[in-house]
Amino acid sequence: DIQMTQSPSSLSASVGDRVTITCRASQGISNYLAWYQQKPGKVPKLLIYAASTLQSGVPSRFSGSGSGTDFTLTISSLQPEDVATYYCQKYNSARALTFGGGTKVEIK
Amino acid sequence: EVQLVQSGAEVKKPGESLKISCKGSGYSFTSYWIGWVRQMPGKGLEWMGIIYPGDSDTRYSPSFQGQVTISADKSISTAYLQWSSLKASDTAMYYCARAEYDSSGYYPAYFDYWGQGTLVTVSS
Repeated sequence: DIQMTQSPSSLSASVGDRVTITCRASQGISNYLAWYQQKPGKVPKLLIYAASTLQSGVPSRFSGSGSGTDFTLTISSLQPEDVATYYCQKYNSARALTFGGGTKVEIK
Repeated sequence: EVQLVQSGAEVKKPGESLKISCKGSGYSFTSYWIGWVRQMPGKGLEWMGIIYPGDSDTRYSPSFQGQVTISADKSISTAYLQWSSLKASDTAMYYCARAEYDSSGYYPAYFDYWGQGTLVTVSS
């Protein structure tokens, strides 16, 4: 089974900072990767799919990149409303739509 | 408007059975896969399995195969997640979510709409 590893598991940054979260697949998954945001006590929300395509309505400060095994989610200028846990999810196989372990983002 | 509305919170005892539901509206229910995702208290998201209501084709995560049953009744646009014998370790929030298709247009991919979640508590 392909494992999805996110790093860091948590981070603290200041408002306005550029934040980067990494997701690594144990085998290549082309660009079959999505990113989700889950705010405390809320339902997960789709941010990005196909590694770099922004879901409709998502602020442009969010961006994704990568292909194969290494992917990144970048918040270009961290805002207070971005406090959340972020998850990657692979979908190269319908038998394993696996999520990464999550990255908790807090404001310093 | 696409909506997935899940059944309410449940409190059960170990060994009891349970079936929770997820009703879709605002789209063609038989044309999209519906997945189930577990979130244990304070933990991350875990994909459990997925069903295509059009023909009930179902795939399970190896971690959940044999532990739960996913089904759907397309006549009432509802998907289900059920347990035959609950354990305390099944205590979690369970989400259903609609899967969009990948670039092939054939396989389920990412989850674009989510239900509000059903909290299941199993305690003696």
